[in-house]
Amino acid sequence: QQQVKQSPQSLIVQKGGISIINCAYENTAFDYFPWYQQFPGKGPALLIAIRPDVSEKKEGRFTISFNKSAKQFSLHIMDSQPGDSATYFCAASKGNAGKSTFGDGTTLTVKP
Amino acid sequence: DAMVIQNPRYQVTQFGKPVTLSCSQTLNHNVMYWYQQKSSQAPKLLFHYYDKDFNNEADTPDNFQSRRPNTSFCFLDIRSPGLGDAAMYLCATSRDGAGGEQFFGPGTRLTVL
Repeated sequence: QQQVKQSPQSLIVQKGGISIINCAYENTAFDYFPWYQQFPGKGPALLIAIRPDVSEKKEGRFTISFNKSAKQFSLHIMDSQPGDSATYFCAASKGNAGKSTFGDGTTLTVKP
Repeated sequence: DAMVIQNPRYQVTQFGKPVTLSCSQTLNHNVMYWYQQKSSQAPKLLFHYYDKDFNNEADTPDNFQSRRPNTSFCFLDIRSPGLGDAAMYLCATSRDGAGGEQFFGPGTRLTVL
């Protein structure tokens, strides 16, 4: 049973465009929703994260939108740049130990 | 800089030959995790330590073991690697595990011949 579903699997965006990646979760006990960015040959790195007490969080060009009732959250990358080309994973975790359940990832390509 | 370090970055082993992967951290975090990541897939949690308390995922094969001799170091032992164990192995840490940020190392790419 996949607890976090991520879409799309791949995404191609022109430079300057908006990249949108969506995730849906099933377990209402999740209380932390991070997005990780992973470049080839590197480990994932936290990009931005949100807790369910807010509906939106913005850090620079990156915004998380969170819909608790729909059990969905999304990552928006404004003014996408070629350097944003990477694989993005959403995740969800709960309680102690912060065990994260990851989505399957989205490979983003930003064309110059 | 505080960080998560993994050694070696690339490891080649033979089918059935035991191998040990190493992770160290300078963050003084309580929790350390080991993930397996295969090509184009999400990281899959194998197990984690909360301090000295070991927590194994239900679907982690017995072939995978771990040791955490102190706060800074954690090891992944693969007792008899099979071809299906070829993957990137990621170590991660978190401060107190209360649903917070995980800090990942660069990973060890394991090849099984």
